[in-house]
Amino acid sequence: EDKVVQSPLSLVVHEGDTVTLNCSYEVTNFRSLLWYKQEKKAPTFLFMLTSSGIEKKSGRLSSILDKKELFSILNITATQTGDSAVYLCAVLQGAQKLVFGQGTRLTINP
Amino acid sequence: DTAVSQTPKYLVTQMGNDKSIKCEQNLGHDTMYWYKQDSKKFLKIMFSYNNKELIINETVPNRFSPKSPDKAHLNLHINSLELGDSAVYFCASSQVWAVSHEKLFFGSGTQLSVL
Repeated sequence: EDKVVQSPLSLVVHEGDTVTLNCSYEVTNFRSLLWYKQEKKAPTFLFMLTSSGIEKKSGRLSSILDKKELFSILNITATQTGDSAVYLCAVLQGAQKLVFGQGTRLTINP
Repeated sequence: DTAVSQTPKYLVTQMGNDKSIKCEQNLGHDTMYWYKQDSKKFLKIMFSYNNKELIINETVPNRFSPKSPDKAHLNLHINSLELGDSAVYFCASSQVWAVSHEKLFFGSGTQLSVL
């Protein structure tokens, strides 16, 4: 059965800390891996990763994919309270289907 | 100005009732989706439509019937609601079918509570 597993499920840190969120997957017909941030309502897109070893960066966030070991990590440096959210990892299976992980709930305390 | 809008935002109803959730996108996208997010935050795809044609139909009970009158609208009708249907339902759209999935835009969700 196709699955995407994220860890940890929940993480509480202090502002300024660096965090690493993990995503492992077993999905047939892998096309790409995506990270989303979900605050109160709709998930918003962060990154899409297709090739191994190429780091994607956006400000304090970065992500990398390892297609051999079937995982990805999302790093957030110098965390801020506004980073508090649920971070979702999803794998694009075939042409049109996204398989989501259960999410990591990140809480940043001031 | 909302790109993907769905109504209602909240829906509280009794078991056995029939209800509909509407979704509209003004982005000119070709493909629209319905996702279900349960209490554990799992997002699972239910349906996708491309230019009014059903593309994905996951193992969803027949009580759920999507309808796409045109490519800007994808409504979800649910018959004989059950307790287990309680969840947040997200509508989404993407620019080009099978490509550019990073352009998946989500609506703000409809929280369905079945009592």
